[in-house]
Amino acid sequence: DQQVKQNSPSLSVQEGRISILNCDYTNSMFDYFLWYKKYPAEGPTFLISISSIKDKNEDGRFTVFLNKSAKHLSLHIVPSQPGDSAVYFCAASSTQGGSEKLVFGKGTKLTVNP
Amino acid sequence: DVKVTQSSRYLVKRTGEKVFLECVQDMDHENMFWYRQDPGLGLRLIYFSYDVKMKEKGDIPEGYSVSREKKERFSLILESASTNQTSMYLCASSFQVGTNYGYTFGSGTRLTVV
Repeated sequence: DQQVKQNSPSLSVQEGRISILNCDYTNSMFDYFLWYKKYPAEGPTFLISISSIKDKNEDGRFTVFLNKSAKHLSLHIVPSQPGDSAVYFCAASSTQGGSEKLVFGKGTKLTVNP
Repeated sequence: DVKVTQSSRYLVKRTGEKVFLECVQDMDHENMFWYRQDPGLGLRLIYFSYDVKMKEKGDIPEGYSVSREKKERFSLILESASTNQTSMYLCASSFQVGTNYGYTFGSGTRLTVV
């Protein structure tokens, strides 16, 4: 059973517009969420995270929103740039119970067109 | 900055060969992980380790084994390589999830089994 779901395999937006990437989770024990960005032939790099005690975290052009009641989070990129074209992975973990494992979604490939 | 180094970027091996993928991290992280990434399947956990000489199976351990003789080094072993193990292999390490660190990934090894 997939605990972290990214239902859109791909997304295409125009440069300068907003990109919204979505992620849903099923495990109510998850309390920490991260987004990773991956370019081809490179390892994923950490982008932004959010704890369940918050509903929003912002870092420059990137904002993550968390809706705990809906078990949904989203990553907003404003304005989108061609260099943002990459695969974005949503990940979740439970910081209780001592587990250090992150559970990843399948990724969304973002293409930002000039 | 934490650095996770994977010994090879590209490897081509023959079916039936024993393959070693090496990963070294330089920040004294306790936790190390091996993932494979395949199109449409996202990141899937093969094995992980919370301490030296300790290992735990992930979601897809079949056909793989691991070795962690030293804290900084985590090796993935394909006992008898098969074509369905052609994939991008990613090593990661972490100090502790939930403290804004998440995982740090290596650059990946693209393995082709012919």
